[in-house]
Amino acid sequence: AQKVTQAQTEISVVEKEDVTLDCVYETRDTTYYLFWYKQPPSGELVFLIRRNSFDEQNEISGRYSWNFQKSTSSFNFTITASQVVDSAVYFCALSETGYNQGGKLIFGQGTELSVKP
Amino acid sequence: DSGVTQTPKHLITATGQRVTLRCSPRSGDLSVYWYQQSLDQGLQFLIQYYNGEERAKGNILERFSAQQFPDLHSELNLSSLELGDSALYFCASSLNYREETQYFGPGTRLLVL
Repeated sequence: AQKVTQAQTEISVVEKEDVTLDCVYETRDTTYYLFWYKQPPSGELVFLIRRNSFDEQNEISGRYSWNFQKSTSSFNFTITASQVVDSAVYFCALSETGYNQGGKLIFGQGTELSVKP
Repeated sequence: DSGVTQTPKHLITATGQRVTLRCSPRSGDLSVYWYQQSLDQGLQFLIQYYNGEERAKGNILERFSAQQFPDLHSELNLSSLELGDSALYFCASSLNYREETQYFGPGTRLLVL
């Protein structure tokens, strides 16, 4: 069965520290998509990245980077030189492509990141 | 701003009542998804519509129903409301019916008293 696990419920860091948010997933599909979303205190869900199961290249976008390792079913997210504005709940999500799955997202429980000045 | 709009932003109602949440997808998107976010259940997929047809269903209660109209906006109807239905309800949209990024609306916060 499909599942996404974010073992870290809360992380607290001081500004300028690097922080890694872990995500482990389970799926039987060979083709699937992984996502990260950010939910700031205002409540909306903001898309950060989408990665398909055939693309294991790591990605960097500014201070954000993602490490996808199919061998360990992990899709970890690192924020370099964290800032107070990074404080939010971060969700990892999985989308399978099997019959009748549609495009539904299966979310992890989220990791609440608090960056203190 | 994701381009997905949801109304109302907040809704306070009583147990046993019925409410309708409305969602307009991003321009050009054909799929609409509904999710429920609560403290105990987290973010849960409810239902998906693609171009007017139901495409996928999650753990949506029988008291809940949804539809997508010809202009592609969608409504989620919640009836016989219970205290436990209090949650943040998100609508998301994507271009196609799968394999596409979903962009989320700001959500409707429902409080059942």
